[in-house]
Amino acid sequence: RKEVEQDPGPFNVPEGATVAFNCTYSNSASQSFFWYRQDCRKEPKLLMSVYSSGNEDGRFTAQLNRASQYISLLIRDSKLSDSATYLCVVNGRNSGNTPLVFGKGTRLSVIA
Amino acid sequence: DTGVSQNPRHKITKRGQNVTFRCDPISEHNRLYWYRQTLGQGPEFLTYFQNEAQLEKSRLLSDRFSAERPKGSFSTLEIQRTEQGDSAMYLCASSLAGSNNSPLHFGNGTRLTVT
Repeated sequence: RKEVEQDPGPFNVPEGATVAFNCTYSNSASQSFFWYRQDCRKEPKLLMSVYSSGNEDGRFTAQLNRASQYISLLIRDSKLSDSATYLCVVNGRNSGNTPLVFGKGTRLSVIA
Repeated sequence: DTGVSQNPRHKITKRGQNVTFRCDPISEHNRLYWYRQTLGQGPEFLTYFQNEAQLEKSRLLSDRFSAERPKGSFSTLEIQRTEQGDSAMYLCASSLAGSNNSPLHFGNGTRLTVT
């Protein structure tokens, strides 16, 4: 089983739609979880951290399910500018946040 | 600009040549990481430093690769005898140690093409 697995997509959704991405991780001792966004030919940028109780940032909601070892990202009211690849990131060790392991990413295209 | 800085942005080299990339992290960050990314893949961990100490190296880092961070500030990644399979985006990131939830901040990357 890969350390971090994501559905590669692409997800093609109309503007205004709600879209959800899931990610599973293999290390039950992982402590740090993030979603990064990566635009084409650009570096990854932190979208949001994922906390145990779940957290929301505007149109974005992240959830963590430790029992099932998955995290999710929900995007409401999709905008054209949300088109990007979304990377699930998990720390692969028991302590600290190193090394962070990235999934392959899920591509999202929001269509007008 | 106080972000992570990498140079060069692009490097084209012939197979067998040596190349060196530089990364300047965010000044107050004591951890520095190197990742490699190829098309359709997420970034893959190569190595990281805490201050000047290299704490971990991935098995992806063959003996042709060497990274240094001599004064705990900037870092260099050298690839000797480059191969076509080394063509990738090399990403540097930095973070603050001491917090489980300290995210990585990436530079723009160095895109290497080996011909």
